[in-house]
Amino acid sequence: NAGVTQTPKFQVLKTGQSMTLQCAQDMNHNSMYWYRQDPGMGLRLIYYSASEGTTDKGEVPNGYNVSRLNKREFSLRLESAAPSQTSVYFCASSDHSPLHFGNGTRLTVT
Amino acid sequence: KQEVTQIPAALSVPEGENLVLNCSFTDSAIYNLQWFRQDPGKGLTSLLLIQSSQREQTSGRLNASLDKSSGRSTLYIAASQPGDSATYLCAVPIPQGGSEKLVFGKGTKLTVNP
Repeated sequence: NAGVTQTPKFQVLKTGQSMTLQCAQDMNHNSMYWYRQDPGMGLRLIYYSASEGTTDKGEVPNGYNVSRLNKREFSLRLESAAPSQTSVYFCASSDHSPLHFGNGTRLTVT
Repeated sequence: KQEVTQIPAALSVPEGENLVLNCSFTDSAIYNLQWFRQDPGKGLTSLLLIQSSQREQTSGRLNASLDKSSGRSTLYIAASQPGDSATYLCAVPIPQGGSEKLVFGKGTKLTVNP
């Protein structure tokens, strides 16, 4: 059981570039989430998916898009990266509580 | 709007000491509260989940309590060890549309000195 797997672990982008962060879970969970973690701001929810085929905005969705590809996979896309999107991104999944987290993607936008 | 606060932001103790981490929340209409641990460069690991009907939950040297009426939870760590050094976060869920969004505190960074 790998749990929640995120790729890549590290990424450096230039302003304006695009990229997709990948997340997969093998626990057959219905709900999946994308959070970002910033110093002094804590963890903030970007988007979530309550079940396959549905997605909803969280607290800080601007500049991001998501795709719930199937029950296992939930991707986060930055269409035009900005320095303000420099952060650590965490994917998580659950079937109610508790939440299971991946190890994160550390993204730097220069 | 639910807000979660953790005090102190950082704590440094000698090995062997018993300690308490605090978490407070503004909306007492919660149905559970979770405590997580985060090691540097890693994701969050769930430590304890307390249902609203429970007053406390124990796992090894960890004991979490919940007082909904006062909007507070505490995480008690007994006989602390250097391996307990990490950031501890509490979170409460906001149920919405079949899933639950978690609102996190900013965490308490614990350092246990040998």
